[in-house]
This record gives sequence, C-alpha cells and structure tokens, in this order.
Amino acid sequence: AQSVTQLDSQVPVFEEAPVELRCNYSSSVSVYLFWYVQYPNQGLQLLLKYLSGSTLVKGINGFEAEFNKSQTSFHLRKPSVHISDTAEYFCAVSDRGRGSTLGRLYFGRGTQLTVWP
Amino acid sequence: DADVTQTPRNRITKTGKRIMLECSQTKGHDRMYWYRQDPGLGLRLIYYSFDVKDINKGEISDGYSVSRQAQAKFSLSLESAIPNQTALYFCATSDFTGGAFFGQGTRLTVV
Repeated sequence: AQSVTQLDSQVPVFEEAPVELRCNYSSSVSVYLFWYVQYPNQGLQLLLKYLSGSTLVKGINGFEAEFNKSQTSFHLRKPSVHISDTAEYFCAVSDRGRGSTLGRLYFGRGTQLTVWP
Repeated sequence: DADVTQTPRNRITKTGKRIMLECSQTKGHDRMYWYRQDPGLGLRLIYYSFDVKDINKGEISDGYSVSRQAQAKFSLSLESAIPNQTALYFCATSDFTGGAFFGQGTRLTVV
C-alpha cells in the first residue's frame, strides 16, 4: 500500500516570499504524483501532476513541483506567493501498475498555506 | 455545468436516520470515489468503483454503503447515521492515472 507524508501541517509566509510545501511518499510500485488545492468552502482542484518525462512539472497559478525518485519526494514550490494562494494543499499518489487499485488516489493530510500581507 | 455535482450541499440529520448523498459526473470516466474529509486527517477513502459492476471498500467503509446506478452516478448511503459521521463528503471521478475531478462537497451534520 502507498502512504503519503506531508511534512508540515501549516506553513505561514509573507506575500511575495518563496514557499516550498514538502511531500514524501512510500510505495512498492511506481506511482503517478499529484498536488491538489482546496480553497475555503470549495472542493479540491488539480494543481499539477507528474505522469512521466521531465521531473519538473509546472501547474496552474505559477506553482511547480519536482519529482525526486531517489528521495521519493514531490515538493511543491512557488517563487513568489500571493494572498490569494492561501488555501490547503494536498499531495497524492496513485498506482501505475495494473490491477484493482489502478487509479486509486492516496492522500496526505494536507498543508495549510497562509499568506500574510 | 460542473464536471461533478453533489447533492445536497448541506444536510443536518438526526442520529439513527438513513441518508443518501448523490453524485453525478459528466467527464465520462469509469472511476468514481467517495471521500470523507475531517480537519487534520486529510481525505479518507470510503468506497470506490471502477465501473458499474465493480464496487470496492476503501479505508473507512464501516457504516456506509454505495450504489453505482450508472456510469455517471454514484450514491453514498449512511444506513443509520451517528454523530461521528459528521464531516465533509466529497465525490470524485478520475481517469486511469488517478487525476481526479472533485465535486463541491456535502457538509453533513449528524445531531
């Protein structure tokens, strides 16, 4: 079974500062990797995903993430945050392999990013 | 129209009552999921279905049941609601990679 660890439950930053939200996973098989964002009182929205190819993936709203297979990490970064980036961010993985669990998502517990003026 | 629609959006019910949460999707995906979100616990999988004839239990299926009425419809039932089932419930649909589209959520309160 897969597990996902988001190392920080809360990350406060000032506006225009850079931010990194950390995510590590453990899996016995190859995985696809995702970051989702949840704004207050809304559902989850896909921010970016790594399926294959370049290990640096770019998503919406200026976010990017880098897949590091040796460290089993998929950290999310943004060089300059805005107040509107305040939200909860979830890292998730899913199986690449075949079988009954293909496509099933495993989520971390989330990181609350708060951007202060 | 939203890709994934959940009804109702909010519901207050009494302990012991049966309640059904409904979900429909327009993405054309075969895979559908029900998740529960609690503060500090992230999203936990209740049930998932990879096609109309396929239903699987997730991490926390006790006290819940599901019905996949069609490719686009997946409902979640609480047979006898209890207060610790108070939570935010999300329906989602995905392609084979797991990249999911979520509904807006149903906030359920059991009193």
